[in-house]
Amino acid sequence: NAGVMQNPRHLVRRRGQEARLRCSPMKGHSHVYWYRQLPEEGLKFMVYLQKENIIDESGMPKERFSAEFPKEGPSILRIQQVVRGDSAAYFCASSPDGTGELFFGEGSRLTVL
Amino acid sequence: SQKIEQNSEALNIQEGKTATLTCNYTNYSPAYLQWYRQDPGRGPVFLLLIRENEKEKRKERLKVTFDTTLKQSLFHITASQPADSATYLCALDPSGGYQKVTFGIGTKLQVIP
Repeated sequence: NAGVMQNPRHLVRRRGQEARLRCSPMKGHSHVYWYRQLPEEGLKFMVYLQKENIIDESGMPKERFSAEFPKEGPSILRIQQVVRGDSAAYFCASSPDGTGELFFGEGSRLTVL
Repeated sequence: SQKIEQNSEALNIQEGKTATLTCNYTNYSPAYLQWYRQDPGRGPVFLLLIRENEKEKRKERLKVTFDTTLKQSLFHITASQPADSATYLCALDPSGGYQKVTFGIGTKLQVIP
């Protein structure tokens, strides 16, 4: 049973470009969470999604950031017109029923030049 | 405002001793509290979950306590080993509704051989 798969593991973008980060939850998990982690800082909640629904996006910046979890395929975190401050590690986690333990991927590390 | 406090300074202990990490929180009424381990460049890995009506939980060399009056959890690793060196994250899930796990900044543990 494969774990949470994130890709790409590393992504380099120039300012103004778009970044797309993908997350495939564990098999049977329909709850997906995205977190952002800056160096020497904790994991910051961004968004919680279930299939085809955004449940809580209170941690998402109001502009340039969006997330989706379609009926088929991985969850996508999209960052438009990236700026240097978007450079961070973005972690995806999944759970089977929205309670208890979170299963994390290995993260996608975005570097904005 | 809601706050989770972990000692952000690194904790250094001698191999074989018991490591004790502290997690304090304010303005939360968590349904449960979790501890995760994170190695450099990796995603967090779940260790233990303790519910609000539980005082203590054990798993092999790990022990967690949860005092909702003091608003504090202690995480113990007995007979510590160099392989236990990592950052340990405390996480809270508020009561009621859907899951929205919030993480502390973590405490870096270094076990010295």
